[in-house]
Amino acid sequence: DGGITQSPKYLFRKEGQNVTLSCEQNLNHDAMYWYRQDPGQGLRLIYYSQIVNDFQKGDIAEGYSVSREKKESFPLTVTSAQKNPTAFYLCASRVDRGNSPLHFGNGTRLTVT
Amino acid sequence: AQSVSQHNHHVILSEAASLELGCNYSYGGTVNLFWYVQYPGQHLQLLLKYFSGDPLVKGIKGFEAEFIKSKFSFNLRKPSVQWSDTAEYFCAVNGNNRKLIWGLGTSLAVNP
Repeated sequence: DGGITQSPKYLFRKEGQNVTLSCEQNLNHDAMYWYRQDPGQGLRLIYYSQIVNDFQKGDIAEGYSVSREKKESFPLTVTSAQKNPTAFYLCASRVDRGNSPLHFGNGTRLTVT
Repeated sequence: AQSVSQHNHHVILSEAASLELGCNYSYGGTVNLFWYVQYPGQHLQLLLKYFSGDPLVKGIKGFEAEFIKSKFSFNLRKPSVQWSDTAEYFCAVNGNNRKLIWGLGTSLAVNP
């Protein structure tokens, strides 16, 4: 079955450490997205990529970095510069034609202590 | 700036009650409208969408939504909810810049 795989499901890190969240899709989608979901704040866009080797900052990119070396992969690094990294992170993709709907992964819950 | 407002943050209903979740947006141009649902422990999934044509759209699991352009609204409805409808519901709007703007979500709890 085609889909989006995020790993791991739960991640724990010490403050000051960088951590990378994995996102892989086998839907052959051009565009990929990273969102952060916090209670009562909905989904906020961190970064997105519409094509390999290109990506753009979303609304809350500070303290995060991404890469898009392959079409199917869009890893997100939460750096030590991110002031409040504990959150639920969602990866999504879509066919970048028109306004096609997003397909989401199951998310990664990151806890930084 | 574009924005999406979901009026109800938490809704509690009994089974068989009718549901209407409000969604209003601020954008003057052509829009595409979505409702997504996140069941407990599951990924976000598309419930229904409106691009053009009949403003009353049908989605999965008996949900429907009506686009009222004059009111900038896209309210979600279901005539009779079930316990399995307990979830978080998000309204999202895509303007001509193709950026998806999300509402803050509505948490629905259905008591059996």
